[in-house]
Parts: sequence; C-alpha cells; structure tokens
Amino acid sequence: DAGVIQSPRHEVTEMGQEVTLRCKPISGHDYLFWYRQTMMRGLELLIYFNNNVPIDDSGMPEDRFSAKMPNASFSTLKIQPSEPRDSAVYFCASSTGLYSNQPQHFGDGTRLSIL
Amino acid sequence: QQPVQSPQAVILREGEDAVINCSSSKALYSVHWYRQKHGEAPVFLMILLKGGEQKGHEKISASFNEKKQQSSLYLTASQLSYSGTYFCGTEMGAGGTSYGKLTFGQGTILTVHP
Repeated sequence: DAGVIQSPRHEVTEMGQEVTLRCKPISGHDYLFWYRQTMMRGLELLIYFNNNVPIDDSGMPEDRFSAKMPNASFSTLKIQPSEPRDSAVYFCASSTGLYSNQPQHFGDGTRLSIL
Repeated sequence: QQPVQSPQAVILREGEDAVINCSSSKALYSVHWYRQKHGEAPVFLMILLKGGEQKGHEKISASFNEKKQQSSLYLTASQLSYSGTYFCGTEMGAGGTSYGKLTFGQGTILTVHP
C-alpha cells in the first residue's frame, strides 16, 4: 500500500518567493495533518483537516502560511512570502481517526531552505 | 503544553536496556510514542489510552501512569536498529474526555553501538 506522499522532497528558494508543499494522504484516511519540525521547536502541529475541512489552524504561524485541501486525495501548504526562519522540515501525516483513536502515518517530509 | 522527555540523549551498547520518560504538567487522556531515524519520517510505535495501561511489541514496551501524568518507554536488550529519536506525544484531557490536541516532546536521541 502506498503511504503518505509528499513533494518536493527538498526545496531551496530565496527569501520572498512563494513556496508550495504538496501532500497525498493514504486513501481512506479522513484526517490530514501538517507539521513543522525544527531543532529549536521540535515537531509542531500547524493545521489539521477532517474530511477536507480545516478544523484547527491555531498552529499556523502567521498570515503568510495557508493550507488547503480541495479533495480527499490532495492538500497543499503555501508560504507567501517566504522568510529564512521558515526553513524547516515539513511533514504531512494522515490518519483514520483523531489522536487517541488511531496512529498517524507520516510522509517522508519536505526539507525547506529559505536563503 | 509540550511534554518533557528525559533523558535528552542516551548511548547504549547492544543488549543493554533503556528507559525514556515523558512527563506532562496537565492531565492526560492518551500518550503516543513514535521513533524517527535520521532524515526519515516519524514512525508510530504505540498509543496508551488508560491509566496504568501497558503495551508492547517485540522488546519495546510502555506504561502510562495517569495519576502521575507520565509515561515511560522501555527498550529491552537493545539492537542497532533501535537507534533513532524517540518522541512522546501527549493528548490532554480529563474525566474520559479528550481536549482534542496532541503535543510532541522534544525527543530523546538513542544511540546503540555494537
């Protein structure tokens, strides 16, 4: 079975550019999560969706970040304009339930570097 | 609120045991454990739901002390493949109700040498 698929795996871009990260969850999973991982802050939840609807976006750093899930098999996380402090590994994860019910399955992540 | 993991790092020789602790300042509904190898995605190990619950597979097991608001991960007779960073995620809640938020600790780096 295919796992969570993220693209691109690596992204290097200059400050001020728009960055779009993509995620395809596991088929049949109703929950999709976007995380950011840095050495300083660890693994932080940015936003999660249930049945394509954003439920909790309290972790989104600021208005420069936006996330969409137009259908059950695709989600994007966009940063515009990007800043050097956005450099991190961004993970997408999917699950059949919320937290205590089911484990989360993580994609391989996108390593983002903003110069 | 982010749970506190201890120790931050541990170095073992193959065959030795280790314990990783995860503590919360708030009441817990569940505790999740994941392992992440360098440059890879976190991989699910187990979820503990009830106070006092113990779970395990192979030589990795965990306990959940609801009263003390903490969980411990036990690695027995460690193997080289156990190396990685171990994260606990805590879901806060009380009285049988979840507050609907999972927060991960900073991780414990485990290194197993031959």
